[in-house]
Amino acid sequence: SQKIEQNSEALNIQEGKTATLTCNYTNYSPAYLQWYRQDPGRGPVFLLLIRENEKEKRKERLKVTFDTTLKQSLFHITASQPADSATYLCALEAGRRALTFGSGTRLQVQP
Amino acid sequence: EPEVTQTPSHQVTQMGQEVILRCVPISNHLYFYWYRQILGQKVEFLVSFYNNEISEKSEIFDDQFSVERPDGSNFTLKIRSTKLEDSAMYFCASSFIDRENGYTFGSGTRLTVV
Repeated sequence: SQKIEQNSEALNIQEGKTATLTCNYTNYSPAYLQWYRQDPGRGPVFLLLIRENEKEKRKERLKVTFDTTLKQSLFHITASQPADSATYLCALEAGRRALTFGSGTRLQVQP
Repeated sequence: EPEVTQTPSHQVTQMGQEVILRCVPISNHLYFYWYRQILGQKVEFLVSFYNNEISEKSEIFDDQFSVERPDGSNFTLKIRSTKLEDSAMYFCASSFIDRENGYTFGSGTRLTVV
């Protein structure tokens, strides 16, 4: 069956460090992979999209990698700040418009 | 920045009653979606809508659910006969044809069925 796993239900890091979040998937061939941020009681907020033929994408302090051989995406936040504390969701799209979300990783950045 | 607007923010309804959740997507977006999130669980896809018809739906989106775009701005989700297990946060989202900017989600409607 298809599965998306986001390792580490919770991740605690010190301010200024790099946070690395993992998204692994099985039995998918996603054309696109997206990362979203979700704050408590709010809707997901789009951060980055990476396509299956792209290895890496950057946006300000964010970097996403996509390895279709390992079936894994890594999401990095450099120079992390307490304001980055949130749940981060990985979402796959296999060519249609329906996103399948992972369960998320809750990031806590300590000052 | 353009927003997806959802109303109401909270809705409490009796089991068996019909509810309509309303959304105003971003005006120049062409794809519209409904997702739901049961408390503590994943965000789950319900339905996508394009060119005035459903383009895809999940197993969750059974005969008790329907969607409509009654005019040029609103997009609604109707649950015909609510069950206790329909209690969840319901998110509307919209997107361009181009995926590069992802999907824009609303703040959600918290539906509680009692």
